[in-house]
Amino acid sequence: DVKVTQSSRYLVKRTGEKVFLECVQDMDHENMFWYRQDPGLGLRLIYFSYDVKMKEKGDIPEGYSVSREKKERFSLILESASTNQTSMYLCATMPGQTDTQYFGPGTRLTVL
Amino acid sequence: QKEVEQDPGPLSVPEGAIVSLNCTYSNSAFQYFMWYRQYSRKGPELLMYTYSSGNKEDGRFTAQVDKSSKYISLFIRDSQPSDSATYLCAMAGTGRRALTFGSGTRLQVQP
Repeated sequence: DVKVTQSSRYLVKRTGEKVFLECVQDMDHENMFWYRQDPGLGLRLIYFSYDVKMKEKGDIPEGYSVSREKKERFSLILESASTNQTSMYLCATMPGQTDTQYFGPGTRLTVL
Repeated sequence: QKEVEQDPGPLSVPEGAIVSLNCTYSNSAFQYFMWYRQYSRKGPELLMYTYSSGNKEDGRFTAQVDKSSKYISLFIRDSQPSDSATYLCAMAGTGRRALTFGSGTRLQVQP
């Protein structure tokens, strides 16, 4: 079974703090993704990575950055957290030759 | 207009009912179609994956794709309370690695 883990299930941060969300996968998948999920808006793509040190912006990259130093690990960074970044953050992985994505359990982030 | 439209519900049905969940899309480049199930406070899990028009069956679940109408459906037979969740349709096309999701339909199956 594919296993995707996220560093925290729940996180509370203050406005202006730097926030790190980490995702780790154990299946050697090339592609990794960060989404945020908000009521009525569904899942929106923030960033994705198709290889180590490679990244591409998704649909809503503003206010976020990412890092992929090792194949199994993909980090999402909020440089200066704001209240409008309160959301559920989901990490996903995908093997190179398919379109099937496997999701982690999510991190519910609250920014006060 | 969103690329993928999905009725948010909530949809409430009695146990044993047949459930029909639907999505429409506007982008002809979408070639691969998925349905994910998401329980409260959990990540989405893949239910069905299909890439051709027609029906695909897996147990109590049937995925239907009509590319000419840009319409996909998920049918759940003999629905159970454990099917209560949010169902997300997702699509992919050539040239874009990421999926495009519908906003999800919340389903409640009453015992």
